[in-house]
Amino acid sequence: DVKVTQSSRYLVKRTGEKVFLECVQDMDHENMFWYRQDPGLGLRLIYFSYDVKMKEKGDIPEGYSVSREKKERFSLILESASTNQTSMYLCASTPSGATGGSGGYTFGSGTRLTVV
Amino acid sequence: AQTVTQSQPEMSVQEAETVTLSCTYDTSESNYYLFWYKQPPSRQMILVIRQEAYKQQNATENRFSVNFQKAAKSFSLKISDSQLGDTAMYFCAFRFANFNKFYFGSGTKLNVKP
Repeated sequence: DVKVTQSSRYLVKRTGEKVFLECVQDMDHENMFWYRQDPGLGLRLIYFSYDVKMKEKGDIPEGYSVSREKKERFSLILESASTNQTSMYLCASTPSGATGGSGGYTFGSGTRLTVV
Repeated sequence: AQTVTQSQPEMSVQEAETVTLSCTYDTSESNYYLFWYKQPPSRQMILVIRQEAYKQQNATENRFSVNFQKAAKSFSLKISDSQLGDTAMYFCAFRFANFNKFYFGSGTKLNVKP
């Protein structure tokens, strides 16, 4: 069974801490994405990557950075956590090119981050 | 940016009945894909159904079907014979044909009552 695994299901961090959210996929997908999910706002794209060491800003990149050193791993970094970053964070992946086609995302099960 | 609008924040339906969730989108492109995702309380997002814009025939997956109106930019999801396990958040999503970025609506919370 193909998987996107997010390392933490729940996380509580203090304001100002540097926070790492990890995502690993075992499907050899080229594209990986980080979204945050907030009630009434749906899913909003933070960053995405279409290849190792490549990254692109999404719609709400402020306060976040990412790292993709290996194809299977895409990390989201909160440089200095703030209370307005309390949210659900979802990682997703999808293949590229001919194998991408009309395919949808495969999602991880989410990390609920609380910043206090 | 593309917009995807779900105008029903919350809906309820009795078990075994039929319910329709609405979605509209805005794009000037002619080639794209549309999706409905389900997010149950377990939080795992599950693909329910997809539709290619170039196909006129509406997609169907068992009890789930869509009404795709390309000219109206409308993409509604019909759930027949609703089951308690259909209780979840449902998200409509749009994707360009040549780009893997998705745009999501704000979601509709569906509650199936026994």
